[in-house]
Amino acid sequence: DTAVSQTPKYLVTQMGNDKSIKCEQNLGHDTMYWYKQDSKKFLKIMFSYNNKELIINETVPNRFSPKSPDKAHLNLHINSLELGDSAVYFCASSQDRQAYGYTFGSGTRLTVV
Amino acid sequence: KNEVEQSPQNLTAQEGEFITINCSYSVGISALHWLQQHPGGGIVSLFMLSSGKKKHGRLIATINIQEKHSSLHITASHPRDSAVYICAVTASGSRLTFGEGTQLTVNP
Repeated sequence: DTAVSQTPKYLVTQMGNDKSIKCEQNLGHDTMYWYKQDSKKFLKIMFSYNNKELIINETVPNRFSPKSPDKAHLNLHINSLELGDSAVYFCASSQDRQAYGYTFGSGTRLTVV
Repeated sequence: KNEVEQSPQNLTAQEGEFITINCSYSVGISALHWLQQHPGGGIVSLFMLSSGKKKHGRLIATINIQEKHSSLHITASHPRDSAVYICAVTASGSRLTFGEGTQLTVNP
């Protein structure tokens, strides 16, 4: 069983569309994250939830909205997609806020055309 | 200037060589992580360190808190070790702040 699973793996969409990326972890971890990897392969935090509570919200356009229905799921919804949103988005989880057991999903490559 | 700096950016080695990748950071940290990103894109956590040294197979990670420096060593390198190695730190809370990565290529 995959520990942190993201869907879809690839997403190609037109500018202006709204899309969602789903993430689920079966590790029993309390904390989940969304990271963005840009074209230069640099990773940066976007959001973090701990037990369904938003604890990190970096300077991200408000077109990006995370949703955590329960501690095993953290979805990312993006409105009005722009060309600059093209990137690889990684979901991750850790045991707790102390960052033990960091585990990454396999990434979602988003291409906006 | 990035809070986490890695060197070298690119490294090419011959199979069997001993490899060292360095990481320096400028903030107080609670832990330092070494990650491996495969050519296919997946990211795997190799080590989480807050002091001393850890070893797993042919991989060794060390950290010097006073000098704000960590190294990742690979002994008897193999082509399957070819990947991007990323240093990341947790300062406050559990968010990771990343270095820019070191692209390692090991030739047979």
